[in-house]
Amino acid sequence: SQQGEEDPQALSIQEGENATMNCSYKTSINNLQWYRQNSGRGLVHLILIRSNEREKHSGRLRVTLDTSKKSSSLLITASRAADTASYFCATGRDNAGNMLTFGGGTRLMVKP
Amino acid sequence: DAGVIQSPRHEVTEMGQEVTLRCKPISGHNSLFWYRQTMMRGLELLIYFNNNVPIDDSGMPEDRFSAKMPNASFSTLKIQPSEPRDSAVYFCASSATGFQPQHFGDGTRLSIL
Repeated sequence: SQQGEEDPQALSIQEGENATMNCSYKTSINNLQWYRQNSGRGLVHLILIRSNEREKHSGRLRVTLDTSKKSSSLLITASRAADTASYFCATGRDNAGNMLTFGGGTRLMVKP
Repeated sequence: DAGVIQSPRHEVTEMGQEVTLRCKPISGHNSLFWYRQTMMRGLELLIYFNNNVPIDDSGMPEDRFSAKMPNASFSTLKIQPSEPRDSAVYFCASSATGFQPQHFGDGTRLSIL
């Protein structure tokens, strides 16, 4: 079964708007990662947040982690049509943080 | 820098045939992963190598699936015999060890008729 579950499954917004995607997980983690997948391509790593961190920024991306609620959110600000993709959260389940369990993903469409 | 390279990009074959998928990880990465992605099951980790040694193969669905990593720059995933339910996109990824991002290839889209 999937460790992480993204919400919503699909999101459609206008260019310039913010997009928020949420991820919930079930067991203790040592890190949580977000990835993007464009159609027909492999996943691309966006950001990694460790279990002792609460928030992390990278350009227009902001990730939060609430280990008490076992949840994380990914915020994309000022979205662009090029942000159209599927976004996945992944949790590391081994001590080395290597073995990832991916959620089902959020399909984001940004309309120009 | 070259990313993770997978071949072939597409494979169409008949049920019962042997299928071999290939992966060249990023130089210097010592962890390698094989994943399978389907609409029904999402992205599943099949097997994980560290320093060319299989560490966890609990995701390999059946004995028909096998994976090898003879050296640090090459890995194969083999399905023998193949079945229609093996149709999926298979990804290879590599990373440095420990809390590091994984770098994915563009996958092999496998169709078993």
